[in-house]
Amino acid sequence: DGGITQSPKYLFRKEGQNVTLSCEQNLNHDAMYWYRQDPGQGLRLIYYSQIVNDFQKGDIAEGYSVSREKKESFPLTVTSAQNNPTAFYLCASSTNSGGAYEQYFGPGTRLTVT
Amino acid sequence: QQQVKQSPQSLIVQKGGISIINCAYENTAFDYFPWYQQFPGKGPALLIAIRPDVSEKKEGRFTISFNKSAKQFSLHIMDSQPGDSATYFCAALIDNYGQNFVFGPGTRLSVLP
Repeated sequence: DGGITQSPKYLFRKEGQNVTLSCEQNLNHDAMYWYRQDPGQGLRLIYYSQIVNDFQKGDIAEGYSVSREKKESFPLTVTSAQNNPTAFYLCASSTNSGGAYEQYFGPGTRLTVT
Repeated sequence: QQQVKQSPQSLIVQKGGISIINCAYENTAFDYFPWYQQFPGKGPALLIAIRPDVSEKKEGRFTISFNKSAKQFSLHIMDSQPGDSATYFCAALIDNYGQNFVFGPGTRLSVLP
């Protein structure tokens, strides 16, 4: 059963702590993405990776870090430098099939920092 | 230039009615426009998509209308059902190589039984 898994579904942390969100895909997609979703706003791109061992900053990368050591894994670390980390985080992967671009999303992780 | 505007913010429709959500963009380099459907607590899922070389695309009860000259596109949901109640996002492909999209802010649709 192919897809994207994110864990955990809910995550609670104290302010000042780093936290790592997991994202795994078994779709054999080269590209992976992290988005942040806040109420009333669209998805905002944090980081993306087109290939293993390479990644680029998105629109709101400050306070976040990523790694792409394996094709199927793209973990996101929310650092203490992120001044408003409470949000719903979505991981996605994508394929380009005959000019049809589709991003497949995971179920998301809701992070609450207090 | 990299923005997609979406309206309305929320929409309430009676069962069997037509739901219409509108989006507008400014960058004429955008050339692929998907719509995503998101249920509460879930990730978005691709619903339907269109390229600007066609003016309309229909899949079941869902239709995208595209007006290239006006730089606008819309989603029409015919015979709306309570199960269609979700948040809908329009998007535009801004980078073919990176396959990066810009998303609208979303429309929360409620279909009343």
